[in-house]
Amino acid sequence: QLQLQESGPGLVKPSETLSLICTVSGDSITSSNYYWAWIRQPPGKGLEWIGFMYFSGSTYYSSSFKGRVTISLVTSKKQISLRLSAVTAADTALYFCARDGGPEQQMALPYWGQGTLVTVSS
Amino acid sequence: EIVLTQSPATLSLSPGERATLSCRASHNLNYYLAWYQQKPGQAPRLLIYDASNRASGIPARFSGSGSGTDFTLTISSLEPEDFAVYYCQRRSNWPPAATFGGGTKVEI
Repeated sequence: QLQLQESGPGLVKPSETLSLICTVSGDSITSSNYYWAWIRQPPGKGLEWIGFMYFSGSTYYSSSFKGRVTISLVTSKKQISLRLSAVTAADTALYFCARDGGPEQQMALPYWGQGTLVTVSS
Repeated sequence: EIVLTQSPATLSLSPGERATLSCRASHNLNYYLAWYQQKPGQAPRLLIYDASNRASGIPARFSGSGSGTDFTLTISSLEPEDFAVYYCQRRSNWPPAATFGGGTKVEI
């Protein structure tokens, strides 16, 4: 059974870079034809898609983040990383990693981590 | 930029009643729409993908319909565990992308 676990600093200072890791167990992160995703949820608000990484390493980001975001694979450690630069208080959110269901459920997300809360504050 | 508008924002119903949730897109999505349920303190749970396909383990009381710009999630008879927030999500095949709607809260 695929399991995802987000981790990282719970507090980041304004203008710095937020760095999170999603550790994957139960399947290979390079298994063919899967999309990995990062999604966030500000406290009390809705879900916001940040970006996808395809199993091949290709990345696709929401235009809302205007070049601030990088998603990458750390294959040897079975991890997917998220980096978000120049953070402000508006980046305070619960950050989720997720994976889609494969070609039959492309970019629909049946697998989620439990999320990690990041607060941006000095 | 494709915008998903969910309505109503809040739906107040009783157990056993039928719930009808709407998701309207600003552009044609074909059938590329999913629905999720989220309870407090939990990650979202995929209910429906590609407009009308139930995800694994999802009860038959959940059904999705629609295509193009208008989509509906129906819960035929509300169970106590169904009171939650529901989100729609569109996908784009190229370039790969996603957008979530603002959510509908189904409350007792």
